[in-house]
Amino acid sequence: QKEVEQNSGPLSVPEGAIASLNCTYSDRGSQSFFWYRQYSGKSPELIMSIYSNGDKEDGRFTAQLNKASQYVSLLIRDSQPSDSATYLCAVALGVKTIFGAGTRLFVKA
Amino acid sequence: NAGVTQTPKFQVLKTGQSMTLQCAQDMNHNSMYWYRQDPGMGLRLIYYSASEGTTDKGEVPNGYNVSRLNKREFSLRLESAAPSQTSVYFCASSEKGVTGELFFGEGSRLTVL
Repeated sequence: QKEVEQNSGPLSVPEGAIASLNCTYSDRGSQSFFWYRQYSGKSPELIMSIYSNGDKEDGRFTAQLNKASQYVSLLIRDSQPSDSATYLCAVALGVKTIFGAGTRLFVKA
Repeated sequence: NAGVTQTPKFQVLKTGQSMTLQCAQDMNHNSMYWYRQDPGMGLRLIYYSASEGTTDKGEVPNGYNVSRLNKREFSLRLESAAPSQTSVYFCASSEKGVTGELFFGEGSRLTVL
């Protein structure tokens, strides 16, 4: 079992819709949780971090964490074509950060 | 502000050749990382350095060695390259106390023939 699991997609949503991206992790000792966005041919960039159970909102992005279920999600409201990218879930355990395989998101204009 | 700089950006090697990927950061970060990215595999941690003078294995360390030369620089060496090491390599750094908030370099695309 991979330590961090994501649906590889692709996930396709129309412009203006809500995109929902999900991630599960296996190590209950995981301390911090992150979402990175990676455009094709580019390096990953951090878009959200969440450290405690519940929701965290930043603009059109909401990260949700449920440690009991070992589940992290990212909601993108009012999706735009510029949101089309691969979204990587990452989990930190101590100094190490482990990534999922990523979910490809396509936002259709 | 350069952030994290990797060299070279592209490299073609023959099987058995050796090479070193260089990484330097100018953000005074304590921790540095090397990842590889293959299609459908996400980012896999090769080695990391929590602080100057320390290095540890990640998920896929076989066939690689690293050196944390000083606080700024963290190099990745392939002693005898194999086709399975064809990949895009990313160096990243993070500030002490904010593990997981990584800043990435632009990547180095390596092809081993």
